[in-house]
Amino acid sequence: GDSVTQMEGPVTLSEEAFLTINCTYTATGYPSLFWYVQYPGEGLQLLLKATKADDKGSNKGFEATYRKETTSFHLEKGSVQVSDSAVYFCALSDAGTGANNLFFGTGTRLTVIP
Amino acid sequence: GAVVSQHPSRVICKSGTSVKIECRSLDFQATTMFWYRQFPKKSLMLMATSNEGSKATYEQGVEKDKFLINHASLTLSTLTVTSAHPEDSSFYICSAREGTGTYEQYFGPGTRLTVT
Repeated sequence: GDSVTQMEGPVTLSEEAFLTINCTYTATGYPSLFWYVQYPGEGLQLLLKATKADDKGSNKGFEATYRKETTSFHLEKGSVQVSDSAVYFCALSDAGTGANNLFFGTGTRLTVIP
Repeated sequence: GAVVSQHPSRVICKSGTSVKIECRSLDFQATTMFWYRQFPKKSLMLMATSNEGSKATYEQGVEKDKFLINHASLTLSTLTVTSAHPEDSSFYICSAREGTGTYEQYFGPGTRLTVT
């Protein structure tokens, strides 16, 4: 079945450091891939998405590229800020370009220290 | 942006009692709502999908008589954990979708349930 595996963390970085959170997936079809972020005390928010191979999703300085050959969707940011401290979830959808039936990774807690 | 609220944010109940959790879409009409459960250091697991005015569709392994879901209006869905036991203690998260097909899910902040 469909599944997502992501780096467990926690990850602690200094401000302005480079961030990578690894995510790989298993899917029978052609899933859409997502990164969600959960700030303390808030609900999950969609950070970025990619709906087909080689697409790059980007938002707020974060990027992730849909790599079909390595079944990966790693999240990157060149220079993290304290305000990026949150839990990040990689997810896939088994309904083509929709967000129906999301399969989530375990989440990675990121703490950025000044 | 679209906002989804959950109430309560945290609840403690005694074993054998029932607990109701509300999920509301505050500024849009949600044709579909989803209920997830999150265990410590685990993924969010989809429990059920509910469409307004119809019965919820439960995922395999989720007891429909234990986790009662009602989606009576386009802005409100409720999850009732009946005869709760300590193993039901968990973080429950709802999400709502405005339309069908390619629309995004908007998540609530979650409800922490502790059964003593």
